[in-house]
Amino acid sequence: NAGVTQTPKFQVLKTGQSMTLQCAQDMNHEYMSWYRQDPGMGLRLIHYSVGAGITDQGEVPNGYNVSRSTTEDFPLRLLSAAPSQTSVYFCASNKDRGANEKLFFGSGTQLSVL
Amino acid sequence: GQSLEQPSEVTAVEGAIVQINCTYQTSGFYGLSWYQQHDGGAPTFLSYNALDGLEETGRFSSFLSRSDSYGYLLLQELQMKDSASYFCVQRDNYGQNFVFGPGTRLSVLP
Repeated sequence: NAGVTQTPKFQVLKTGQSMTLQCAQDMNHEYMSWYRQDPGMGLRLIHYSVGAGITDQGEVPNGYNVSRSTTEDFPLRLLSAAPSQTSVYFCASNKDRGANEKLFFGSGTQLSVL
Repeated sequence: GQSLEQPSEVTAVEGAIVQINCTYQTSGFYGLSWYQQHDGGAPTFLSYNALDGLEETGRFSSFLSRSDSYGYLLLQELQMKDSASYFCVQRDNYGQNFVFGPGTRLSVLP
């Protein structure tokens, strides 16, 4: 089982560039989410999805876009990168938001915006 | 809004016992989870308390008191590899998303 696969592991962007962080899970999980983690802080929710075709905003959605065309994939798009988006990004999935508390995380993406 | 509070840092020596506290404020009730994160790694699930009381998993135990809006993670027989950040986590007020505490950095000294 691959679990949650997140790519790339590292990325450097220039201000204004766009990019997509990929996330895929092979556990047939309904719930998927993106977090960002800044130094010394907990994880903050960017966007989430409770199933294919359904997405919604989290705590810090500005500057990011998501889509969920399949159960497996949940890419995160940075529309026009800014230095404030320098962070570590984690994708996470959960089987059933009503019955299972365990979040499965990808390995993370270290993003630097210059 | 919903918030969880944890101490920012805890230091202990190998073989000791350490307790990491978490207090929360939420209008609804959902259980409390704990995650471990090593430097450069992803958070990994440790435990979940749905009800009041103690849950034990090997050297780790987690406790919840819903009347006090309080929980803790207890780590026994500390090892160097336990040096990591620990997060308490709770579902949001709608029971949909997961809200993370700020994290407690545990340093285990030889």
